[in-house]
Amino acid sequence: GAVVSQHPSRVICKSGTSVKIECRSLDFQATTMFWYRQFPKQSLMLMATSNEGSKATYEQGVEKDKFLINHASLTLSTLTVTSAHPEDSSFYICSARPGQSRTGELFFGEGSRLTVL
Amino acid sequence: SQQGEEDPQALSIQEGENATMNCSYKTSINNLQWYRQNSGRGLVHLILIRSNEREKHSGRLRVTLDTSKKSSSLLITASRAADTASYFCAIETSGSRLTFGEGTQLTVNP
Repeated sequence: GAVVSQHPSRVICKSGTSVKIECRSLDFQATTMFWYRQFPKQSLMLMATSNEGSKATYEQGVEKDKFLINHASLTLSTLTVTSAHPEDSSFYICSARPGQSRTGELFFGEGSRLTVL
Repeated sequence: SQQGEEDPQALSIQEGENATMNCSYKTSINNLQWYRQNSGRGLVHLILIRSNEREKHSGRLRVTLDTSKKSSSLLITASRAADTASYFCAIETSGSRLTFGEGTQLTVNP
């Protein structure tokens, strides 16, 4: 199956700093990638849809200036949590579909656990 | 909310028993998917059932879909300790968005 790599898997940072998380599709190209956030023992909440070569589409209630998304190539999307605060501590997961497919299964990265002190 | 809702929230069974998890939703769907998540890991796709399908099998997995009741079930037969994980249903609606349910935490005791 298709492989999505996410890095870093864990990151601890001080309050006020920015953290960048990378999501790469290793063996396929992805026009669209999705960023989710998951709190302990809860479901995945879609934060934004990352579109290659254009602006991301953010879900209602997600601050676009807080969570910067860049999808500069067909294999890489990045999520930058700017001026992180303890309430931003969470598990962030990216996913993608191969090619320009707009339906079907998603392939997920292993997730990135962010802890803001 | 179009979000899938699952029950039970938690299920504990013995190895060899069958596990059934249910998912209900409120909107029209293109398809419904089931995913598995081991603690602290990403999600792994298990099975997809389209809106015009009623039942699908994959190994020890059996998924049913009743669009009139807007519900789906995932049956894992002959469970193993390695099946211990969280299981999520996800509904795909128009626009290709995938919305996840709250999940069922399955524990299979050896």
